[in-house]
Amino acid sequence: SQTIHQWPATLVQPVGSPLSLECTVEGTSNPNLYWYRQAAGRGLQLLFYSVGIGQISSEVPQNLSASRPQDRQFILSSKKLLLSDSGFYLCAWGKEWTGGTGELFFGEGSRLTVL
Amino acid sequence: QQQVKQSPQSLIVQKGGISIINCAYENTAFDYFPWYQQFPGKGPALLIAIRPDVSEKKEGRFTISFNKSAKQFSLHIMDSQPGDSATYFCAASYYSGGYQKVTFGIGTKLQVIP
Repeated sequence: SQTIHQWPATLVQPVGSPLSLECTVEGTSNPNLYWYRQAAGRGLQLLFYSVGIGQISSEVPQNLSASRPQDRQFILSSKKLLLSDSGFYLCAWGKEWTGGTGELFFGEGSRLTVL
Repeated sequence: QQQVKQSPQSLIVQKGGISIINCAYENTAFDYFPWYQQFPGKGPALLIAIRPDVSEKKEGRFTISFNKSAKQFSLHIMDSQPGDSATYFCAASYYSGGYQKVTFGIGTKLQVIP
């Protein structure tokens, strides 16, 4: 069965510090990978998606970047955090098109507080 | 055109009652309409989903009603239980460019009181 791991679960960082959130998927190959941010009253905002190693697409301009160094690893980074980067970050994976359900499978999330 | 509008943002229902959450969309390219359930501190998980070629789908106490002409769909939770207290997101998606384009609603925080 497929599993998705995301860490760290929580972190508190000062403004201007760097960030690295990591996500790995097990039990599947060549997944589509996604980073979402969840803010209160704003739903789930897609930040980045990747259809393969080294292939990253950004949905919104921001202070963050993403990388996919391995097939089942997805990393969210920042060189200098802003207060507005605080939020609940969710990694998700989905299957390539199979004519199927199109379901997304989410990790447990990482709660980031920037002070 | 990518927006999915969801209402209400919060909902309080008594145990045993019916919870109803509504969503509307604009983009006719959407071909998959899932509902996700999220408990505090956890990631969302798929609850139930529907494709636009059917008007209703039922799984246990959860039912999706879909109106293609009105571009609206809704989630009904029958006999609501305190364990159903969570945030519910509707979504709409389609495949393009090799990946799934998903647009989420703003979420509805449901509280079921005993």
